[in-house]
Amino acid sequence: DAKTTQPTSMDCAEGRAANLPCNHSTISGNEYVYWYRQIHSQGPQYIIHGLKNNETNEMASLIITEDRKSSTLILPHATLRDTAVYYCIVRVASQGAQKLVFGQGTRLTINP
Amino acid sequence: NAGVMQNPRHLVRRRGQEARLRCSPMKGHSHVYWYRQLPEEGLKFMVYLQKENIIDESGMPKERFSAEFPKEGPSILRIQQVVRGDSAAYFCASSPPGHPSEVEKLFFGSGTQLSVL
Repeated sequence: DAKTTQPTSMDCAEGRAANLPCNHSTISGNEYVYWYRQIHSQGPQYIIHGLKNNETNEMASLIITEDRKSSTLILPHATLRDTAVYYCIVRVASQGAQKLVFGQGTRLTINP
Repeated sequence: NAGVMQNPRHLVRRRGQEARLRCSPMKGHSHVYWYRQLPEEGLKFMVYLQKENIIDESGMPKERFSAEFPKEGPSILRIQQVVRGDSAAYFCASSPPGHPSEVEKLFFGSGTQLSVL
């Protein structure tokens, strides 16, 4: 799987948009970009995933650059409950879900 | 619709004892995955099971660790003769039936925190 690079930590004010970047410059054409988050003392929670088009759901938006070498997860109106570690993961489409490789992620802190 | 249920939430064992961690997948889910998270580290895949079958155990330590997902009842992760290095958070996840490559997302439980004294 392609390696991802994320900032170690970020801060964001409550109510503002949180934009979490991820670099995956070696991504292959058949690899999806996944985002999960892990709130303290809980299991990871799926947020969103995409291949090449931008995606939006009730939790977040995923913006993937045209060359697919990077992406940004956007939490449009961050709340204190969004404080968590956010993992950007790339996964080959044909491989099983167990092949998700969780790195160190970005520790996002939402400040009141 | 209950989520993935793991118990116990916390488990304390002395060195040499056995630890049994249980996981009940979401209703209708037939795939179970176990992950381990060591302190200050990311999650590491251990084993993937379907009912009565181990599909992928490439992340399981070769000794002392075993997993099962019987036809009836929860999935069990068993650690024999625990050592201090086994202290970690163990997470279970589940997914609906289907080919592994078609699984879009995993649903995780809240984990079992194992502490070995």
